Amino acid sequence: DGGITQSPKYLFRKEGQNVTLSCEQNLNHDAMYWYRQDPGQGLRLIYYSQIVNDFQKGDIAEGYSVSREKKESFPLTVTSAQKNPTAFYLCASSQSRNQPQHFGDGTRLSIL
Amino acid sequence: GENVEQHPSTLSVQEGDSAVIKCTYSDSASNYFPWYKQELGKRPQLIIDIRSNVGEKKDQRIAVTLNKTAKHFSLHITETQPEDSAVYFCAAIDTGNQFYFGTGTSLTVIP
Repeated sequence: DGGITQSPKYLFRKEGQNVTLSCEQNLNHDAMYWYRQDPGQGLRLIYYSQIVNDFQKGDIAEGYSVSREKKESFPLTVTSAQKNPTAFYLCASSQSRNQPQHFGDGTRLSIL
Repeated sequence: GENVEQHPSTLSVQEGDSAVIKCTYSDSASNYFPWYKQELGKRPQLIIDIRSNVGEKKDQRIAVTLNKTAKHFSLHITETQPEDSAVYFCAAIDTGNQFYFGTGTSLTVIP
């Protein structure tokens, strides 16, 4: 799915630092999502957005924030309040909420 | 919300044999069930999906079956090949249109 671009591929965070993960899509999809993937735990939903300027918390939103100022962009900020941020983060989009989701290549976040 | 359980967590098969991965779900109103394949370090990719008005769907060597009464659905891969080795995730969409993913099955196809 070349239509979803996540950057960077690898990211390192220092203690007390906020970091922002980028997600851009050119598929003209209305809905966008952020998932966290940990070994043995599948995909857990952090935040999702169905439309510009609107977003909802998922199951594990604490310590994260998002914005949706443009249809094609849905950046995720991992704040210092997230005490265990080391994980693989996946962004996805879909035409609408009940349609197949298409994923980006992911960002692997580690703590220095 | 929905609860999706996936079994087994790991599966090894000989090349050419079949592989079956099963998922159960809790929300009887769930109506869409996709399967994703994720190769190591790569993005999950949709390989097949099924909606609740259909009992089975096939695409070449891959098939998905759905039993709404028992609330379970399965992925069947026939004539497995080494390139089928990956982690497979099932998912179900609940009445709020939120996706819930299983915990994944790591499939290894032994040449």
